[in-house]
Amino acid sequence: GENVEQHPSTLSVQEGDSAVIKCTYSDSASNYFPWYKQELGKRPQLIIDIRSNVGEKKDQRIAVTLNKTAKHFSLHITETQPEDSAVYFCAASINNDYKLSFGAGTTVTVRA
Amino acid sequence: KAGVTQTPRYLIKTRGQQVTLSCSPISGHRSVSWYQQTPGQGLQFLFEYFSETQRNKGNFPGRFSGRQFSNSRSEMNVSTLELGDSALYLCASSLEYADTQYFGPGTRLTVL
Repeated sequence: GENVEQHPSTLSVQEGDSAVIKCTYSDSASNYFPWYKQELGKRPQLIIDIRSNVGEKKDQRIAVTLNKTAKHFSLHITETQPEDSAVYFCAASINNDYKLSFGAGTTVTVRA
Repeated sequence: KAGVTQTPRYLIKTRGQQVTLSCSPISGHRSVSWYQQTPGQGLQFLFEYFSETQRNKGNFPGRFSGRQFSNSRSEMNVSTLELGDSALYLCASSLEYADTQYFGPGTRLTVL
């Protein structure tokens, strides 16, 4: 089955700096890659997603890049703010497989 | 639209008991997925249902089962509870599987 690895497991950044989280996946048939943000005690919330026919997608301060050849995708957060502090999960799924495989999560702390 | 709801929010059970958790998807969503979240194992896929049919199942023992009703509401059942079943159980719904999955708040199960 699909295996998703996520790095780093923790990330501390100064407010205003950028944060980058990287994930790799094992199954080349994966074609959907969402990123979720989970604040303490809350539900995971989708922040951005990308499909395999697109190399990059941006939404304000958040961007995701996908390299299908290398089988990795990354989340970029620019101009970080204290409210960006949370656990971020990447995931991958294969069409018609009907399951999301999640990375282990990255705890991001934005220092004021 | 109302979001995904889960009941109960908290449960305390003892080993050997069974438990049933409920998930009501967003109106119009037909796909419901279940995940187990623990500090050690992260988010792990349990199963996915669409139009009352289970389309995929994760690597969990047969003690974990689920079903979906004609109104898309879903339940999952865990029989013969073990201490290791203590976790946050999340369900997520989407229009079709390949669409964005929206998570519910989860049910926190504690097994004593």
